[in-house]
Amino acid sequence: GENVEQHPSTLSVQEGDSAVIKCTYSDSASNYFPWYKQELGKRPQLIIDIRSNVGEKKDQRIAVTLNKTAKHFSLHITETQPEDSAVYFCAASMGYSTLTFGKGTMLLVSP
Amino acid sequence: EPEVTQTPSHQVTQMGQEVILRCVPISNHLYFYWYRQILGQKVEFLVSFYNNEISEKSEIFDDQFSVERPDGSNFTLKIRSTKLEDSAMYFCASSQIRSPRTAGELFFGEGSRLTVL
Repeated sequence: GENVEQHPSTLSVQEGDSAVIKCTYSDSASNYFPWYKQELGKRPQLIIDIRSNVGEKKDQRIAVTLNKTAKHFSLHITETQPEDSAVYFCAASMGYSTLTFGKGTMLLVSP
Repeated sequence: EPEVTQTPSHQVTQMGQEVILRCVPISNHLYFYWYRQILGQKVEFLVSFYNNEISEKSEIFDDQFSVERPDGSNFTLKIRSTKLEDSAMYFCASSQIRSPRTAGELFFGEGSRLTVL
């Protein structure tokens, strides 16, 4: 089955800096790559996703890039703010199958 | 904005007891899921459900687990005889779109925290 690796496990940045979280996946048939943000004690919420027919997608301060050849995708957050502090999960899926999540990255943004 | 709702938010039970976790998916969604998250770990897939039957399940979803859609709105997860290692946050999720080539966005509920003593 699909295996998703995510790193780093913890990322500390100063407010205003950029943050990058990277994931790799194993199954070349995967075609959907969402990123979820989970605040402490809350549900995971989708923040951005990308499908395999595009290489980059941006939504305000958040962007995701996908390299299908290398089977990796990354989340980029610019101008980080304290409220960006949370655990971020990447995931991969293909069509009918369900999401396989990475282990998560705890992002800490210091004011 | 429509949401997936789950009850109870927290349940404490004794080892060996049966537990039923309940979920109300978003009304026009067709695909339903249960995921679990052991404290501090990643979200793990348990089971997916479509058209009144299980469409996929993971190794975690053994004979102790079952799912049901008893009526048009509820989706339940039953754990027949709980073990200590079943302690986790259980998330229900639903999605609308799924096709051979297009996975759909999953909308998660707030979760049900199960503590097995």
